[in-house]
Amino acid sequence: GENVEQHPSTLSVQEGDSAVIKCTYSDSASNYFPWYKQELGKRPQLIIDIRSNVGEKKDQRIAVTLNKTAKHFSLHITETQPEDSAVYFCAARAPSNTGKLIFGQGTTLQVKP
Amino acid sequence: NAGVTQTPKFQVLKTGQSMTLQCAQDMNHEYMSWYRQDPGMGLRLIHYSVGAGITDQGEVPNGYNVSRSTTEDFPLRLLSAAPSQTSVYFCASSRLAGGATGELFFGEGSRLTVL
Repeated sequence: GENVEQHPSTLSVQEGDSAVIKCTYSDSASNYFPWYKQELGKRPQLIIDIRSNVGEKKDQRIAVTLNKTAKHFSLHITETQPEDSAVYFCAARAPSNTGKLIFGQGTTLQVKP
Repeated sequence: NAGVTQTPKFQVLKTGQSMTLQCAQDMNHEYMSWYRQDPGMGLRLIHYSVGAGITDQGEVPNGYNVSRSTTEDFPLRLLSAAPSQTSVYFCASSRLAGGATGELFFGEGSRLTVL
């Protein structure tokens, strides 16, 4: 089955710097790659996603890139702000009608003011 | 819309006790799932369902049972709780049909402690 590895497990940056989180997946058939943000004590919420027919997607300060050949995808956050501090999860889903989503281990991002 | 509702939010059990975590969604989502969240382990899929009467195992199904008698409800049963099942449990649902994005909507979570 699908396996998703996420790195780093923790990341600390200064406010205004960029942050990059990387994930690799094992199932070459996977075609949907979302990123979720979980603030302390809250539920995970979708922040951005990308499909396998697209190489990059941006939404204001966040972007996701996908390299299908290498089977990895990354989350880029520019001009980080303290409110970006949270746990970020990547995930992957293979094409089927099951909807099954497999998550990475999570990255705790700390943005220092 | 209430979205995805989980109960209870907190529960303490003794080893060997049984309990059911309830999950209900009012978005008419076909897909429902249960995850457990442990430090450093991410969100691990326990069981999932693509519709009423259909369930399947995820990554860590041992010790848990599920059923899906209606579209709205997807309870998770612990038949004989063990300390290793101490965790935060999330129920999540999404649409599957009609070109849906598949975005997962999560409940607020249920924190379970097994002594």
